[in-house]
Amino acid sequence: SQKIEQNSEALNIQEGKTATLTCNYTNYSPAYLQWYRQDPGRGPVFLLLIRENEKEKRKERLKVTFDTTLKQSLFHITASQPADSATYLCALDHQAGTALIFGKGTTLSVSS
Amino acid sequence: KAGVTQTPRYLIKTRGQQVTLSCSPISGHRSVSWYQQTPGQGLQFLFEYFSETQRNKGNFPGRFSGRQFSNSRSEMNVSTLELGDSALYLCASSLAGASGGTTDTQYFGPGTRLTVL
Repeated sequence: SQKIEQNSEALNIQEGKTATLTCNYTNYSPAYLQWYRQDPGRGPVFLLLIRENEKEKRKERLKVTFDTTLKQSLFHITASQPADSATYLCALDHQAGTALIFGKGTTLSVSS
Repeated sequence: KAGVTQTPRYLIKTRGQQVTLSCSPISGHRSVSWYQQTPGQGLQFLFEYFSETQRNKGNFPGRFSGRQFSNSRSEMNVSTLELGDSALYLCASSLAGASGGTTDTQYFGPGTRLTVL
């Protein structure tokens, strides 16, 4: 069956450290993968998109990698801050011409 | 540019009733997608509308329906509410939508929190 899994429901790290979140999928062949941030009581906000032919994408303190052989994407936040505390969702396109499929998310807590 | 708006923000209904939720997309966006978010299942795709036509549909019963108007505003309706329909309902707008085979970014609204008693 098709699955998209994010490594853990919760991740707690100290301020200044690098947070690494994992998104694994099975039985999909996505053309791209996206990462979103969701704060309590709000809708998800788009952060980064990485295509199947890209290995890495960066935006400020964020870095995403995409390994289609391992069927995995890693999302890194360097020099994490308490303001980075939120739930992070990965999403992929099921196949061309269909909607986004979301993982259940990982809730990151950064303590000062 | 104004973001995606959803009304109402909170709703309490009882089993068996029906409910209509509204979504106004970002100006110029023609695709509106609806999602149901629950703690157990996460974000699940309901359907997508583009230019007043349903372009894609998720795996939900026929009690869940929607429509889109010529100004791209969209409504979703849930009939014969069940306790399990309690969730955060999110709509997202984009220029062409994921169903358009593009990498369009989806812009989400704040959601409507539906509680079924």
